[in-house]
Amino acid sequence: GAGVSQSPSNKVTEKGKDVELRCDPISGHTALYWYRQSLGQGLEFLIYFQGNSAPDKSGLPSDRFSAERTGGSVSTLTIQRTQQEDSAVYLCASSPRTSQAETQYFGPGTRLLVL
Amino acid sequence: GDSVTQMEGPVTLSEEAFLTINCTYTATGYPSLFWYVQYPGEGLQLLLKATKADDKGSNKGFEATYRKETTSFHLEKGSVQVSDSAVYFCALSLRDYKLSFGAGTTVTVRA
Repeated sequence: GAGVSQSPSNKVTEKGKDVELRCDPISGHTALYWYRQSLGQGLEFLIYFQGNSAPDKSGLPSDRFSAERTGGSVSTLTIQRTQQEDSAVYLCASSPRTSQAETQYFGPGTRLLVL
Repeated sequence: GDSVTQMEGPVTLSEEAFLTINCTYTATGYPSLFWYVQYPGEGLQLLLKATKADDKGSNKGFEATYRKETTSFHLEKGSVQVSDSAVYFCALSLRDYKLSFGAGTTVTVRA
């Protein structure tokens, strides 16, 4: 079946602009996660959704970052007033339910470059 | 806080050599443990997992055993192939469900 998809696959933007990154989870998966992969920081957790609600926003690096999920499916991660340190690969993952034992299935990522 | 420490790379091996990547964790509670792999040009995918002490996860010839007494989850494969060249990440998950990853170990297998 279809896996997790993300768009765009690559995004180049200028410092100060806003960007939106999209994630389509595996159909029927109620849990959705966002991570960031960068050279300096490795793989970092950003936020997760159970259905449409986000119980844990602790990983968002600043108030310029926000995320939403609608209809228990598609999620959008928005970065306002982008900075060069936001350059990274943004990964989305989904799992059938929220459980520490569940496998998270990852998408291919969106590579963001802020000039 | 909860964290994972894994062996620094890069690791370069010849085909059919034995591979081991060390992983230890610090956690408040009893985590589930995972090995994820990222092949060149591909996304992260689960290699294996173990959800309780003494469990052994296995897949594609790789194995790892959840050792609570040593807080470890070392990855091993008896005979590597060129196709095993990838970046390997050890990770843990607790009641907050997020994955906490190690820094990753790059493995290159030469023919």
